[in-house]
Amino acid sequence: NAGVTQTPKFRILKIGQSMTLQCTQDMNHNYMYWYRQDPGMGLKLIYYSVGAGITDKGEVPNGYNVSRSTTEDFPLRLELAAPSQTSVYFCASSQRGGEVAKNIQYFGAGTRLSVL
Amino acid sequence: KNQVEQSPQSLIILEGKNCTLQCNYTVSPFSNLRWYKQDTGRGPVSLTIMTFSENTKSNRRYTATLDADTKQSSLHITASQLSDSASYICVVTLNNNDMRFGAGTRLTVKP
Repeated sequence: NAGVTQTPKFRILKIGQSMTLQCTQDMNHNYMYWYRQDPGMGLKLIYYSVGAGITDKGEVPNGYNVSRSTTEDFPLRLELAAPSQTSVYFCASSQRGGEVAKNIQYFGAGTRLSVL
Repeated sequence: KNQVEQSPQSLIILEGKNCTLQCNYTVSPFSNLRWYKQDTGRGPVSLTIMTFSENTKSNRRYTATLDADTKQSSLHITASQLSDSASYICVVTLNNNDMRFGAGTRLTVKP
C-alpha cells in the first residue's frame, strides 16, 4: 500500500492564481483531513471529511474549498492565492474519528506552497 | 494562547543519552492524547496514543506518560539514536473529534 499520497511536493504561485492540491489514500479510510503547518505553530485543520460526499470546515477554512466524490480522493482547492496561504499542507486519513482511542491517523509527505 | 504547549522548543543531546519532552494542555474534556514524530520534510507519524484513563504507554524506546489531573504529558526517549532527530508533536483530541496540535519540540541528536 502507498498510504497517503500528496501531489505536488512543491509549488510556487503568484497572488491571485488558483490551484488544486491532490490527496489520495489506498487504505479505504473513511476520514480524511487537510492541515496547514506554519513555522513555529501546531497543525491547523482546514477541512475534513467523514466519508464520500460529506465535508466539514475545520479551524481555518477561509480561502479553501474541498470535495470528496470518492473514498480515495480529497482534493484541496485554493481559488485566489494570497501570501497568507504560504505554508506546508498535509493531508491525512484515518479509519474512524480521532476521538476513538487507538485510531491511527496517517499523514502524507506534505505539499510546500509559496505564494509570491 | 495555544491550548497545547510543548517544551522545550528545541533540544540538542548526544547519541546514547536519554531525554524527556513536555506537553501541557488546557483543553478538556479530552478523549485521548497522542505523540507524533515528524521527520524533516515528512508528515507526522504516530508514536503513542493514551486515553484519559491511561497514565503510561510505551513504543520501543519511547515512553509517554499522562497525568490527567495536572494536564501534563511527557515523552521519554531512552538511549537516543541519530535517527531520533525530528520534531515531536503532542496532540490532544477532544470528545467531539476536534484535535489540537502542539507546536512541537525539535530534537537534534548529535554523534
